[in-house]
Amino acid sequence: EAQVTQNPRYLITVTGKKLTVTCSQNMNHEYMSWYRQDPGLGLRQIYYSMNVEVTDKGDVPEGYKVSRKEKRNFPLILESPSPNQTSLYFCASSYGDKRYEQYFGPGTRLTVT
Amino acid sequence: GIQVEQSPPDLILQEGANSTLRCNFSDSVNNLQWFHQNPWGQLINLFYIPSGTKQNGRLSATTVATERYSLLYISSSQTTDSGVYFCAAVVFDMRFGAGTRLTVKP
Repeated sequence: EAQVTQNPRYLITVTGKKLTVTCSQNMNHEYMSWYRQDPGLGLRQIYYSMNVEVTDKGDVPEGYKVSRKEKRNFPLILESPSPNQTSLYFCASSYGDKRYEQYFGPGTRLTVT
Repeated sequence: GIQVEQSPPDLILQEGANSTLRCNFSDSVNNLQWFHQNPWGQLINLFYIPSGTKQNGRLSATTVATERYSLLYISSSQTTDSGVYFCAAVVFDMRFGAGTRLTVKP
């Protein structure tokens, strides 16, 4: 089954404790990206990757890191989480780039206390 | 970047009613998608429709690229249609609208 998976689905953590949210897709997509969703603000792009070892900032990259060492995986790293990073996070992927149909993961609900 | 506006922001329907959701965008687009976010937060792809008309069961969508809008039609609505509907448009960046929250009452 073609899908984008994220782990964990739910996470409660404390300020400053490094965490990683994993994202994996099995569709051989070149393009992957991360979004955060906040009430009243819709979804905003954090980082994206056009292919292996190629990443770039989206609209709200501060406080986040990413890596793309393999085509199928695109982890999101929060080196020192803060309460303002409490949000619902989505990973997405597509063939080519963002111009094409994007497939979204199930979401990760993160709470930072 | 591109501006995406959705209307109405909220919509309450009785089961069985029809509805039209609108998405306006400020520039010509390379990609236009409609999503349904269910009450559990999952984003479900509805349509990839940069232009033209598509139908899938009770749902259909039309994008008029030259006039910079897209419409999502829901016919014979059901309670399971409740949730938030987002459109997202791509020129150079992918931008989401703020969404339309649909509540279908039994």
